[in-house]
Amino acid sequence: AQSVTQLGSHVSVSEGALVLLRCNYSSSVPPYLFWYVQYPNQGLQLLLKYTTGATLVKGINGFEAEFKKSETSFHLTKPSAHMSDAAEYFCAVTPWGGNTGKLIFGQGTTLQVKP
Amino acid sequence: DTAVSQTPKYLVTQMGNDKSIKCEQNLGHDTMYWYKQDSKKFLKIMFSYNNKELIINETVPNRFSPKSPDKAHLNLHINSLELGDSAVYFCASSQETREAFFGQGTRLTVV
Repeated sequence: AQSVTQLGSHVSVSEGALVLLRCNYSSSVPPYLFWYVQYPNQGLQLLLKYTTGATLVKGINGFEAEFKKSETSFHLTKPSAHMSDAAEYFCAVTPWGGNTGKLIFGQGTTLQVKP
Repeated sequence: DTAVSQTPKYLVTQMGNDKSIKCEQNLGHDTMYWYKQDSKKFLKIMFSYNNKELIINETVPNRFSPKSPDKAHLNLHINSLELGDSAVYFCASSQETREAFFGQGTRLTVV
């Protein structure tokens, strides 16, 4: 069985500060990992994904995440927060292999950016 | 050109009614999904279709019936709506890389 835990349902940072959103997963098979962002009243947009290969992945809008197998983590970071980054962020996992494409989401983290 | 489009965006209806939500994708993907986002923003998969064939049904009440007339369309019909069905329903599609593209969502409110 797979599961995803996002530590901190609400994160508040100042504009220009480092953004760190935490995600830990549990999986009995190698996972594919994703971060999605949801702006108010909108759908989910893919920020970045890890499938295989380089463990540090870069995404859109200056975000990046590092897959750490030993820590079962896939934390999302951005060096300098911008007001437009305020949104809901979801970490998700799907099993490597198989063919379902079924995403298991974490609970979500609301990012607030203060001026 | 919208990749995954859902209609309607908002749906307000009374308990006991039957309603449908439509979804279309123009990405050429083989697999389509319905996800439900509850009031706490938790997202959970409901159904998945691969090339018109149902492959995932996540213990959803049988009042919910998906229909896929072709691989570009996946509709969701809900019978006898209940208050607890109020949520945002997202359609999504993906190909083998498992990167899902999501629609804008349909906010269903049952009164």
